[in-house]
Amino acid sequence: GDSVTQMEGPVTLSEEAFLTINCTYTATGYPSLFWYVQYPGEGLQLLLKATKADDKGSNKGFEATYRKETTSFHLEKGSVQVSDSAVYFCALRSNAGGTSYGKLTFGQGTILTVHP
Amino acid sequence: ETGVTQTPRHLVMGMTNKKSLKCEQHLGHNAMYWYKQSAKKPLELMFVYSLEERVENNSVPSRFSPECPNSSHLFLHLHTLQPEDSALYLCASSQELGGLSGEKLFFGSGTQLSVL
Repeated sequence: GDSVTQMEGPVTLSEEAFLTINCTYTATGYPSLFWYVQYPGEGLQLLLKATKADDKGSNKGFEATYRKETTSFHLEKGSVQVSDSAVYFCALRSNAGGTSYGKLTFGQGTILTVHP
Repeated sequence: ETGVTQTPRHLVMGMTNKKSLKCEQHLGHNAMYWYKQSAKKPLELMFVYSLEERVENNSVPSRFSPECPNSSHLFLHLHTLQPEDSALYLCASSQELGGLSGEKLFFGSGTQLSVL
């Protein structure tokens, strides 16, 4: 079945540091890939997405590139801020057969803490 | 504010209690979901409703009983829970179940459940 694996957290960085959160996936066909973010005390919200190989999703300074050859969708940001402290979830949506509506499969989440 | 409201925010219950979690959305969405968020585990999809009909029960024990009386409201009825059921329970909605409008989920802030 489909699965998503994220790097173990928590990740602790100083403000303005470079961020990478690794995400790899297993899926049949050609899934769409997503990053969701959960700020403290809130629900998850969509951060960015990519729907085909080599697509780059971007939002709020975050980027992720759909790499089919390595089945990866790593999240990056060049200079993090304290306000980026949150839990980040990688997810995929299979477009193959089986479940017709294409449910989202999430990873376990990676906690990011940014210190001033 | 995502437009999805969950109550209560926190719930402590004994193993013999019966309680209900409530989710409400006024986004005009047709699909609603229950997810379970446990530490260091992938977000687990529990139930999916589309136009008030259950379309998925993801091998969830019968001590969890969902109810969707209309497209704006979703309940999760709880009875005789176990301590391992302690988790954050998230409700989400999407405009439709499938297609592009089914990709973006809007999440509530969750109910933090503790079973003693």
